Amino acid sequence: QKEVEQNSGPLSVPEGAIASLNCTYSDRGSQSFFWYRQYSGKSPELIMFIYSNGDKEDGRFTAQLNKASQYVSLLIRDSQPSDSATYLCAVLNNDMRFGAGTRLTVKP
Amino acid sequence: DAGITQSPRHKVTETGTPVTLRCHQTENHRYMYWYRQDPGHGLRLIHYSYGVKDTDKGEVSDGYSVSRSKTEDFLLTLESATSSQTSVYFCAISDGSGRHVFGPGTRLTVT
Repeated sequence: QKEVEQNSGPLSVPEGAIASLNCTYSDRGSQSFFWYRQYSGKSPELIMFIYSNGDKEDGRFTAQLNKASQYVSLLIRDSQPSDSATYLCAVLNNDMRFGAGTRLTVKP
Repeated sequence: DAGITQSPRHKVTETGTPVTLRCHQTENHRYMYWYRQDPGHGLRLIHYSYGVKDTDKGEVSDGYSVSRSKTEDFLLTLESATSSQTSVYFCAISDGSGRHVFGPGTRLTVT
């Protein structure tokens, strides 16, 4: 079992819809959780981080964390074609572990 | 962003040759990391540094060594490159919060 698992996708949503990206992790001691966006051929860019159970909102992005279920998600509201990218979930305990990423396509 | 650079950006080398990749930061961050990214595996930590001359191994450290003689520079060396080390290598920096800022990446091909 991988330490951080994501659905590889591709996930396709129409413009203006909500995109929901999910991630599960195996290490119960994990303390910090991150979402990175990576455009094709580019480096990952941090878009959200969350440390406590519940929701954290930043603009069109909402990160949700449920430590009891070992589950973290990213919601993108009013999805735009520019949101088309691969989204990487990362979990920090002693070191950072990344999921393989979910490829999101937003269709105009 | 200019805060972190990597060189070279692309390299093709032959099996058995030594290769050194350089990461340079201007942010004065304590933590620096080397990752490799391969299809289906995501980013995997090779080595990291928590200060000058302080380094430790990551998940996939075999075949790699690192050095950090100055705060701003973190070098990754492949002593004898193998085809399995063909990958995209990313350097990252952090201020200790866990939040990473990544460099632009180095695409390495070992033939």
